[in-house]
Order: sequence, then structure tokens, then C-alpha cells
Amino acid sequence: NAGVTQTPKFRVLKTGQSMTLLCAQDMNHEYMYWYRQDPGMGLRLIHYSVGEGTTAKGEVPDGYNVSRLKKQNFLLGLESAAPSQTSVYFCASSSLPGTVAYEQYFGPGTRLTVT
Amino acid sequence: GENVEQHPSTLSVQEGDSAVIKCTYSDSASNYFPWYKQELGKGPQLIIDIRSNVGEKKDQRIAVTLNKTAKHFSLHITETQPEDSAVYFCAASKGWAGGFKTIFGAGTRLFVKA
Repeated sequence: NAGVTQTPKFRVLKTGQSMTLLCAQDMNHEYMYWYRQDPGMGLRLIHYSVGEGTTAKGEVPDGYNVSRLKKQNFLLGLESAAPSQTSVYFCASSSLPGTVAYEQYFGPGTRLTVT
Repeated sequence: GENVEQHPSTLSVQEGDSAVIKCTYSDSASNYFPWYKQELGKGPQLIIDIRSNVGEKKDQRIAVTLNKTAKHFSLHITETQPEDSAVYFCAASKGWAGGFKTIFGAGTRLFVKA
């Protein structure tokens, strides 16, 4: 089991460029999440998905878009990168929240720098 | 708004000592409280969690206590070892439209000195 994987691991963008971060999970989880982690702050939810074909906004969605075309994949897009989007991005997946088996599994992260 | 405060931000202990990290949450509807350990260059990993119907939970050297009245929960690590050095995050979660809303604390960097 690979768990949750993310590509790429590192990326440097110039302001205004676009990119897509890919998250894949092999645990057959319905729920998937994208977080950003900034120094001195906890993880903040960008977008999440409760199943294939569905997405919803989290706490800090502005400047990002997501898609969940396949159950195992969750893509995070930056259409026009800004320096404020410099961060470490984590993807996570989970089974149904509120159940005994619920646990969020996190990927290794993508470190993005926007210059 | 909803928030989770975590203290201290940095904690340094001698190997074998105990470490305690404290969190306070604001949303009384929160009913699930996980703790994550994040090692350098890796994603957070769940180490222990507690639900609102339980006051204390223990797993080997790790324990978590919850005081719902005070909206306060704590992580206790006994007999610390150098491999416990990491950043620890607390979180408070509740059911939310279409999912589960989780608010994370800012993290505690734990150093265990050999």
C-alpha cells in the first residue's frame, strides 16, 4: 500500500504561472482534502471532496480550483500563482467522518515557492 | 471565529522526562480531537485521538485527556525518547455540511535531548 502520494515534491513558479498538484490514494477512501501549511500556523483546509465528481470549498479556497474525476485522484490547480501561495501543500484522504474507523491519512507534501 | 490554541510552541525535555502539550478549542460542537506527529519532510501522522464521550485515552507512552467543560485537551508523552522529537499538532473536529470540519492548532516543536 502506497497510501497517499503527491506529485511533485517541490516546485518553483513565477508569479502568474499555473500548475496542478496531483494527489492519489489507494485506500478506496471517499473523502479527500487539500491543506496548506504555513510557518507558525496549523493546517488550513483549501478544498475537499466527499466523493468522485464532487468538490467543496474549505477555509481558504480563493486562488485555487480542484477536480475529482476519479475516486483515487484529487487535483489542486493554481490558475495564476501569487507569492502569497508559497506554502507546503498536503493532501489527505479518509473514510467516512464520525465513524470509529475515521482517520485522515496525509501525503508527504509539496513545497511550492512562488517568486 | 472557531480556533484552536496550542501551547507551548516549543518544548525541550531531557530523554526520559515527560512532555505535556495543551490545546484549547472554541467551538463547543467539536466532538473529535486527534493529535498528529509530523517529522521533518513528512506529512502529519495520527498518533492518538479522543472522542467527546471519553475523558482519557492511553496508548503505551502516549495519553490524551479531554475536559469538555473547559474546552481543553492535552497530550502527555511519558519516558520521552529522541525519536519523539517532531512537531505535534492538535485538532478539533465536528460534523459539518457534507463532511467533517477540522481546525488545527499551530503546532508544538518538541526536542528530546539525549
